[in-house]
Amino acid sequence: AQSVTQPDIHITVSEGASLELRCNYSYGATPYLFWYVQSPGQGLQLLLKYFSGDTLVQGIKGFEAEFKRSQSSFNLRKPSVHWSDAAEYFCAVGAGSSASKIIFGSGTRLSIRP
Amino acid sequence: GAVVSQHPSRVICKSGTSVKIECRSLDFQATTMFWYRQFPKQSLMLMATSNEGSKATYEQGVEKDKFLINHASLTLSTLTVTSAHPEDSSFYICSASSSGGFYNEQFFGPGTRLTVL
Repeated sequence: AQSVTQPDIHITVSEGASLELRCNYSYGATPYLFWYVQSPGQGLQLLLKYFSGDTLVQGIKGFEAEFKRSQSSFNLRKPSVHWSDAAEYFCAVGAGSSASKIIFGSGTRLSIRP
Repeated sequence: GAVVSQHPSRVICKSGTSVKIECRSLDFQATTMFWYRQFPKQSLMLMATSNEGSKATYEQGVEKDKFLINHASLTLSTLTVTSAHPEDSSFYICSASSSGGFYNEQFFGPGTRLTVL
């Protein structure tokens, strides 16, 4: 069965420091992978997605993610975080025969230290 | 990006009553809408998928008679929690897409916090 694991429940980084959020997936075929951000009072926003092609994907707000099939990973990175990046981050995989189902990981809460 | 709204943002009700949550796509036509449930510090779990004018497709383990979904127009879907009980307390999130597949982005609403006393 398809699944997504985010091993880090909560991460705190200093403003200006680099960030890497980990994501591992389990999926039999070529995965369709997503990263979403959830801020209080706002809906989930898509940061980036990987369907095929270049394994390094650029997203909005300066985020990028790298698909590594050998490690079943799709880690999210940002070279320098800003206080406004504090939020909940979800990794997800697209699945289902109709290609309409998104399976989310449990999320990683990011706090920014001033 | 496209905007999806939910109403109400939070609701408190007594056990045994029914609660309706609205999900609206404000600036696009949503062929497909999705309803998720999110428990504290947990992931979003897909409850059901609805296509405009059709019956909703429920995920395994979701009681269709308890969680009634109506998608009567291309801009509105409603989720009614019937005879709500404290265990139904949760954060309910809808998303909308202009197409059925996830190849087309799902746009998420801000969520509705339901508390059943």
